[in-house]
Amino acid sequence: EAGVVQSPRYKIIEKKQPVAFWCNPISGHNTLYWYLQNLGQGPELLIRYENEEAVDDSQLPKDRFSAERLKGVDSTLKIQPAELGDSAVYLCASSSGQGAQNEQYFGPGTRLTVT
Amino acid sequence: GDSVTQMEGPVTLSEEAFLTINCTYTATGYPSLFWYVQYPGEGLQLLLKATKADDKGSNKGFEATYRKETTSFHLEKGSVQVSDSAVYFCALLLRTGGFKTIFGAGTRLFVKA
Repeated sequence: EAGVVQSPRYKIIEKKQPVAFWCNPISGHNTLYWYLQNLGQGPELLIRYENEEAVDDSQLPKDRFSAERLKGVDSTLKIQPAELGDSAVYLCASSSGQGAQNEQYFGPGTRLTVT
Repeated sequence: GDSVTQMEGPVTLSEEAFLTINCTYTATGYPSLFWYVQYPGEGLQLLLKATKADDKGSNKGFEATYRKETTSFHLEKGSVQVSDSAVYFCALLLRTGGFKTIFGAGTRLFVKA
């Protein structure tokens, strides 16, 4: 069974440019998460989807970040415009539910460098 | 607020040494507790978990016991191997206000042959 797929793995852009990250969760997983991981820190939740509905986007900086999961399967996270402080690893994870018994499976992440 | 505090790394050990990585938490209610591991170039993966007080999670020789009285979930392994070199994250899952996972900053472990 394929794991969580993310692309690209690495992205380098200049500040003020837009960037998009794509995630394909494990087949059948209805819960999808986007996390931000700064160097030397643990992941911080940006947004959580239950199917196509964003049920927790309280930590998403909505002035420049947006996300969508139109058909409840794969998802895209966008930043426009990017700032220097957005340099980080963006992680996608999925689970078959949201309860304590439902393990989150993580993708390898996209490392973004904003110059 | 709710938070997880891990011992700072890096931790450097020789093969077959005993490992302890400390983790303490602050949370309202009764969270579930997890240890995730991230090997170089890979995504985080669940190592073990405990869902209530006094539960012991174990996997691949690693163990951690949910201690409500000390709000701790320390990770231990009796004899580490070079292949255990990775970053270890302690995390808690809150049920109040919707399910939310909070991660610690991670502890990097280096095991020397």
